Amino acid sequence: QVQLVQSGAEVKKPGASVKVSCKASGYTFTSYDINWVRQATGQGLEWMGWMNPNSGNTAYAQKFQGRVAITRNTSISTAYMELSSLRSEDTAVYYCARRFWFGELVSAFDIWGQGTMVTVSS
Amino acid sequence: DIQMTQSPSSLSASVGDRVTITCRASQSISTYLNWYQQKPGKAPKLLIYAASSLQSGVPSRFSGSGSGTDFTLSISSLQPEDFATYYCQQSYSTPQTFGQGTKLKIK
Repeated sequence: QVQLVQSGAEVKKPGASVKVSCKASGYTFTSYDINWVRQATGQGLEWMGWMNPNSGNTAYAQKFQGRVAITRNTSISTAYMELSSLRSEDTAVYYCARRFWFGELVSAFDIWGQGTMVTVSS
Repeated sequence: DIQMTQSPSSLSASVGDRVTITCRASQSISTYLNWYQQKPGKAPKLLIYAASSLQSGVPSRFSGSGSGTDFTLSISSLQPEDFATYYCQQSYSTPQTFGQGTKLKIK
């Protein structure tokens, strides 16, 4: 079935970097954008950025510019989100999500990974 | 960035009730509005896209309406599995911002 499977929980110290993976299966990886969304405990959803797995083109939320990088390895249908200079406020669950185009200009996140908990603590 | 504001932030209702959640955009987004359901410890699930189109497999008791800046999500007859948090999201422009969420609780 169509699914996104993410890597496991991470614990990092302030100032470190974390790289979360998101492996796609059940569909053609290069045909759909991958987005990253995070959620701090008890808080709402925050969009971080997206990548076109075919071209490698990316776009990031202004808030994360310079600290986040979304990359991919098409040979293994896997996307990655790396966040650097971690601080305690980055403690959150990080989700990857596939963007499905229902028609011209109409899109939504139809498939989500299970989430990866990243804890930043000294 | 487009700001999305949901109301209410929380709502108590009983099984069988009809409930409506509202989402307002800070500028017109046509019908580029999606709704998601999230249960504790789980990833969000797409319910409605393009303001009123039901995602495949989603029960017909869910419906969406609206255009421009004002949107609603309605659940016609609440079932026990519907108690969750609901988020709206605009897909009109990047960044694709979400509302702050509406927690639907059992009365």
